[in-house]
Amino acid sequence: SQQGEEDPQALSIQEGENATMNCSYKTSINNLQWYRQNSGRGLVHLILIRSNEREKHSGRLRVTLDTSKKSSSLLITASRAADTASYFCATASSGTYKYIFGTGTRLKVLA
Amino acid sequence: DGGITQSPKYLFRKEGQNVTLSCEQNLNHDAMYWYRQDPGQGLRLIYYSQIVNDFQKGDIAEGYSVSREKKESFPLTVTSAQKNPTAFYLCASSPVGGTGANSPLHFGNGTRLTVT
Repeated sequence: SQQGEEDPQALSIQEGENATMNCSYKTSINNLQWYRQNSGRGLVHLILIRSNEREKHSGRLRVTLDTSKKSSSLLITASRAADTASYFCATASSGTYKYIFGTGTRLKVLA
Repeated sequence: DGGITQSPKYLFRKEGQNVTLSCEQNLNHDAMYWYRQDPGQGLRLIYYSQIVNDFQKGDIAEGYSVSREKKESFPLTVTSAQKNPTAFYLCASSPVGGTGANSPLHFGNGTRLTVT
């Protein structure tokens, strides 16, 4: 059973615009992580937000976490064509290392 | 350089044959994971291991087997019982315990398995 569900499934924007994608999960968690995957490659870690944090920034990335709603959002500001990729959230139930990934958002940034 | 190595990158097998995918890490991580990814889909957990000689089933373990005899190695065998084995397989690792509870997963570059 997939713990994380993301929306939208696909997103197409112009270069310079912001991209927002959302993730929902089902259980109590230690942290929530966001990953990026270029086509046919492994996943690259972007940012980790702990359950006691509400917002975190890393460069052009901004992540929020609402544990009461069991949801998170990833905002990419001033997007570039090189940001074109699939983005996944991952969580593990508190006290476990069983990381489950969401269904992913396919982002396409048009130059 | 530390990292995770998956080999081979592409693997072709005939239906009915077992096949073993290799995953090696030199990051000194205790936990290792196997995920399956189908085209345009998310990752589904097959097996994971938090310590040598111990592993747990993920959400789609049927038709797969693993071993964890060494900390740095976590091979996955796709058996003939797996009904639809053609997929992209990803291996990952992470530390556990202490700050490891809030550490990211490190991924290999995957093995694309095609069974005909």
